[in-house]
Amino acid sequence: GEDVEQSLFLSVREGDSSVINCTYTDSSSTYLYWYKQEPGAGLQLLTYIFSNMDMKQDQRLTVLLNKKDKHLSLRIADTQTGDSAIYFCAESMGYSSASKIIFGSGTRLSIRP
Amino acid sequence: NAGVTQTPKFQVLKTGQSMTLQCAQDMNHNSMYWYRQDPGMGLRLIYYSASEGTTDKGEVPNGYNVSRLNKREFSLRLESAAPSQTSVYFCASTPTLLAGELLTATQYFGPGTRLTVL
Repeated sequence: GEDVEQSLFLSVREGDSSVINCTYTDSSSTYLYWYKQEPGAGLQLLTYIFSNMDMKQDQRLTVLLNKKDKHLSLRIADTQTGDSAIYFCAESMGYSSASKIIFGSGTRLSIRP
Repeated sequence: NAGVTQTPKFQVLKTGQSMTLQCAQDMNHNSMYWYRQDPGMGLRLIYYSASEGTTDKGEVPNGYNVSRLNKREFSLRLESAAPSQTSVYFCASTPTLLAGELLTATQYFGPGTRLTVL
């Protein structure tokens, strides 16, 4: 069945890079996403990658996709206190607006001084 | 342009009470979704509406009903609330796929409703 897995917690020092990992099971996924959820707020789309890409860079964010291993990662360079949040990995199976999106359980990123 | 809005932000119910969670989007999106978020479990899809006039069950539909009132609004109803329905509820919507152009099935989320059932 479809499943997306992530580790629950990550702690990094301010200024270091954070790497959040995700594995998924469905090889037919079309898009893979990273969402950020700050305390008391809804999910906010951070970035996404199309399944035929290996890498996408957007300012401090780098997404790496290893389709063979079904592994997705999000690297945040120069991690700041404002990056403290829960990060959700998600995959979708289609292109239409009715495509279902499967979410991981989220990784809580905490920043230590 | 408010995006996706949800009301109320917080609600406390007694077991057996009913209530409706409201969601509206002003982005002219076709599809709308209701999720619940529980600790350590990520988001689980309750119901979705691919387009106005249609609704379909998601992963955890039991105990809920939905109404797609018009293109803008998608409500979630708990007819007889149970403590197991204590959760944070998120509404989301998805842009329309344009002919000849691939868009992500990206979902835009509302701020959530925190529901406690005693």
